[in-house]
Amino acid sequence: AQSVAQPEDQVNVAEGNPLTVKCTYSVSGNPYLFWYVQYPNRGLQFLLKYITGDNLVKGSYGFEAEFNKSQTSFHLKKPSALVSDSALYFCAVRDASSGTYKYIFGTGTRLKVLA
Amino acid sequence: GAGVSQSPRYKVAKRGQDVALRCDPISGHVSLFWYQQALGQGPEFLTYFQNEAQLDKSGLPSDRFFAERPEGSVSTLKIQRTQQEDSAVYLCASSRSSGEETQYFGPGTRLLVL
Repeated sequence: AQSVAQPEDQVNVAEGNPLTVKCTYSVSGNPYLFWYVQYPNRGLQFLLKYITGDNLVKGSYGFEAEFNKSQTSFHLKKPSALVSDSALYFCAVRDASSGTYKYIFGTGTRLKVLA
Repeated sequence: GAGVSQSPRYKVAKRGQDVALRCDPISGHVSLFWYQQALGQGPEFLTYFQNEAQLDKSGLPSDRFFAERPEGSVSTLKIQRTQQEDSAVYLCASSRSSGEETQYFGPGTRLLVL
């Protein structure tokens, strides 16, 4: 069965500092991995995805994530946090070998960037 | 261009009532998904359509939940005989094709069952 874990409910970081939001996954087949962001009173927005190729994926708003197969992780990173990055972040996985389009989302990590 | 829209944005229902939630995907998008998001949780997959075909309904929690997309565009999620545990935000998402993988989410419908 597929699963995603976001071990931190909340991450606090000072503006200008690097940020990391953690995600680990479990699938029996080939993982496709995603990060989405949810701002207050707005729908989820796509940030980036790993399908194949380079393990380091760059996405919107200066975010990037690294696919680590051996550690089954897909942590979201940004070199310098902005106050406007404060939001709820969701990691998601789909098992591309399963033949289904069932996406599994984590429980979310609230990022708070302090001025 | 217009994004994914959902209506109503808020719905209050008495226990036992039937409700219908509408999703208008981005024009031309082949794939459509419904999710249920409980308070403090991530979205949980309910069902998936490719055009008008419902290819996966494994996430529907009971036979009170029914979804359709008869013409391959607008979709309706219907919940019969609502229960308090159905209270959640229902999210709709669409993507260009099954191979596109990037989903575009609507703002959601917040359902409260009293």
